[in-house]
Amino acid sequence: NAGVMQNPRHLVRRRGQEARLRCSPMKGHSHVYWYRQLPEEGLKFMVYLQKENIIDESGMPKERFSAEFPKEGPSILRIQQVVRGDSAAYFCASSPPRISGNTIYFGEGSWLTVV
Amino acid sequence: LAKTTQPISMDSYEGQEVNITCSHNNIATNDYITWYQQFPSQGPRFIIQGYKTKVTNEVASLFIPADRKSSTLSLPRVSLSDTAVYYCLVARWDGGSQGNLIFGKGTKLSVKP
Repeated sequence: NAGVMQNPRHLVRRRGQEARLRCSPMKGHSHVYWYRQLPEEGLKFMVYLQKENIIDESGMPKERFSAEFPKEGPSILRIQQVVRGDSAAYFCASSPPRISGNTIYFGEGSWLTVV
Repeated sequence: LAKTTQPISMDSYEGQEVNITCSHNNIATNDYITWYQQFPSQGPRFIIQGYKTKVTNEVASLFIPADRKSSTLSLPRVSLSDTAVYYCLVARWDGGSQGNLIFGKGTKLSVKP
């Protein structure tokens, strides 16, 4: 867990503002995943990215949410015009390139509170 | 992706062995079974992964019968610090939908003194 770095750990935004969550993968990992967890719920997959490429965004809401993983720098999950329902824990995970049997490693999460 | 079913909660006492069973009747040939542990306000932590038979590491053992339709996570001699939610996942690792893991609600293990 300690290898995947997320920040901020806690973020408070007013309705209508933008939230940006950052994730630096573990050293040697080139694949990043974002998950969202609502209170008392399991984690829900949002998006899977490689450098400069979105591989699977089937779990991303159609509007206001976007993700990127630039050639340099961390992956960013961006939520525009936040609403109360966006309040959740957002977890980033990373893995090395696909090899049979790989697993993914999670960061400590970013807790977004929309007031 | 294979759906998993596991008990919602379990109680145990310190020093006991805890076995959490997960059903995955629709597991496919390319699927691996992975268990994660999550403490409150923390990210899931990888515990163990297996394909068949038995896998053991310093934390737990994973038993998978020949038909692979279920698996059992075994935690030896639990302590209070093992109180957490345990997730069983089944996913392919062949470059297809890797990373799109389906987490259920997990099993909430409560260890009592």
